[in-house]
Amino acid sequence: GAGVSQTPSNKVTEKGKYVELRCDPISGHTALYWYRQSLGQGPEFLIYFQGTGAADDSGLPNDRFFAVRPEGSVSTLKIQRTERGDSAVYLCASSLAGGLQETQYFGPGTRLLVL
Amino acid sequence: AQSVTQLDSQVPVFEEAPVELRCNYSSSVSVYLFWYVQYPNQGLQLLLKYLSGSTLVESINGFEAEFNKSQTSFHLRKPSVHISDTAEYFCAVSFFSSNTGKLIFGQGTTLQVKP
Repeated sequence: GAGVSQTPSNKVTEKGKYVELRCDPISGHTALYWYRQSLGQGPEFLIYFQGTGAADDSGLPNDRFFAVRPEGSVSTLKIQRTERGDSAVYLCASSLAGGLQETQYFGPGTRLLVL
Repeated sequence: AQSVTQLDSQVPVFEEAPVELRCNYSSSVSVYLFWYVQYPNQGLQLLLKYLSGSTLVESINGFEAEFNKSQTSFHLRKPSVHISDTAEYFCAVSFFSSNTGKLIFGQGTTLQVKP
């Protein structure tokens, strides 16, 4: 079956603009995660969805970042008033039920560049 | 604080030589341990994981990792590397205290296999 997909693959925007990043998880996976990977670093947790609800948003850096998953499948990460420091690769992952022991399946990422 | 440290940012090695990629974590609670690999121009994928039982776990392509609770380590080893093993390797941990499957990643180690 299809893996996790993310669109767009690349996004270039100007400082202060609004962006939306989309994640389509593996069909049937109830758990969805967003991570951010800065250059030379490992992925950093942002937010976790179980179904439609955000069960853990402790990794969101500030209130400019917001994510939704209205129907329990596709998720959108929204960044308002982008800053140059937001430039990074944004990764989405899904797992079957969100258990601590489960394998997370990652998408290819969206590379965001804020000029 | 809970953290994951990969002690080597880059490991150059010749083909057919052995290699060890080091990973240490800091936690006062039980953990599950993962190694993910990112091949050039590909997404993150699971290499192997430790959940319970035997402290030595193996992957299908010859890598193995050993969980050492007293040293809070989960080093990755391979007795003879191939050119195709060139990739970025990430150690990741899920902590029982989090109640979610979010992963804490190390900074990554670039394995560069030379002919």
